[in-house]
Amino acid sequence: AQTVTQSQPEMSVQEAETVTLSCTYDTSESDYYLFWYKQPPSRQMILVIRQEAYKQQNATENRFSVNFQKAAKSFSLKISDSQLGDAAMYFCAYRSASKNNDMRFGAGTRLTVKP
Amino acid sequence: NAGVTQTPKFRILKIGQSMTLQCAQDMNHNYMYWYRQDPGMGLKLIYYSVGAGITDKGEVPNGYNVSRSTTEDFPLRLELAAPSQTSVYFCASSSSRTGNEKLFFGSGTQLSVL
Repeated sequence: AQTVTQSQPEMSVQEAETVTLSCTYDTSESDYYLFWYKQPPSRQMILVIRQEAYKQQNATENRFSVNFQKAAKSFSLKISDSQLGDAAMYFCAYRSASKNNDMRFGAGTRLTVKP
Repeated sequence: NAGVTQTPKFRILKIGQSMTLQCAQDMNHNYMYWYRQDPGMGLKLIYYSVGAGITDKGEVPNGYNVSRSTTEDFPLRLELAAPSQTSVYFCASSSSRTGNEKLFFGSGTQLSVL
């Protein structure tokens, strides 16, 4: 079964600076999708960014970008110009293209933003 | 713009009691899911449904049951609640089989079994 590992239980960043959250995954599949979800204290799960494994170009959404290294099975999230509203739990998730009813989540990284 | 609605938001059960967590979506999504989130952990899939009348087990189905009689509703039933079922439960939906479709999540139900 696919597993998703987030090795940083907690991270902190100064407001306006850049932070990178790590994610690695284990799979034998070649076609899949990767996601970063944000969970603020409200508990609402919010999609931050997504990446198709067949695309070589790294996804970007405004201040959020990913570094997708398929061979290394790594999918890190970079947050630029961090804002207080970025403080949340961040979950990395993997979804198989052939069995896309099953989305696997990492244990999460709690991000604190210091003013 | 209701999206995915879960009720209740909080509930305390005694060991052995039963309850149903309600989930409804108004986006006409075929795919619906139930996840649980234990403290300090990611979400784990309990059950999912690909359409009315069709359900299947996920990663952690023991102790739960689901039904999907309509496209909109996907209730999760806990029979004989146990302390191990203390968790936050999330319902989610998505529009199609395409793997890169995002999941729309409800706001969660925090359940404590004492």
